[in-house]
Amino acid sequence: TQLLEQSPQFLSIQEGENLTVYCNSSSVFSSLQWYRQEPGEGPVLLVTVVTGGEVKKLKRLTFQFGDARKDSSLHITAAQPGDTGLYLCAGVPSGAQKLVFGQGTRLTINP
Amino acid sequence: DAGVIQSPRHEVTEMGQEVTLRCKPISGHDYLFWYRQTMMRGLELLIYFNNNVPIDDSGMPEDRFSAKMPNASFSTLKIQPSEPRDSAVYFCASRISRYTFGSGTRLTVV
Repeated sequence: TQLLEQSPQFLSIQEGENLTVYCNSSSVFSSLQWYRQEPGEGPVLLVTVVTGGEVKKLKRLTFQFGDARKDSSLHITAAQPGDTGLYLCAGVPSGAQKLVFGQGTRLTINP
Repeated sequence: DAGVIQSPRHEVTEMGQEVTLRCKPISGHDYLFWYRQTMMRGLELLIYFNNNVPIDDSGMPEDRFSAKMPNASFSTLKIQPSEPRDSAVYFCASRISRYTFGSGTRLTVV
């Protein structure tokens, strides 16, 4: 059983479209992070959200942390082929030290 | 900063052989983590160290797996004997405030 459930697992859309990826849990997290992983490389941190309700923007990417700190979303506006990759959410459960990952969303943006 | 360095990048070995994966964390990072990534199970934490001391090895799948961190600049993950189901990409990550991952070692056990 995954502590963090991501949806969808696969997403293929056309360039210019918008999309949202979800990361859900029944547990409370002290923080949630989003990573992007490209083939043959390790995950690279995009953002960390810490406060319930927090919204962070990174160019065309918008990250939101749920009010109860159990879920997060990643919204991409006007997707580009360069956004293609595996997007992973990860979190440190409250009271713990170790980072646990969701299964990931494999995103493909078609030109 | 060279980042987290892992070696080898690729390893192909026969079932029953010993495999040693190596990791050099970023200088000054006090936490080191070993993860395994497969299509079926995603990224799983195997073990992590704080100041070279193993803190939590509950993710190590079985006694065939062992990890050491003899000093702040080096860690190894050893599998002995290796089995085909150990085939995966193994990542090392280090952290002081944020996690930085290495490029991984792709292990294939045939």
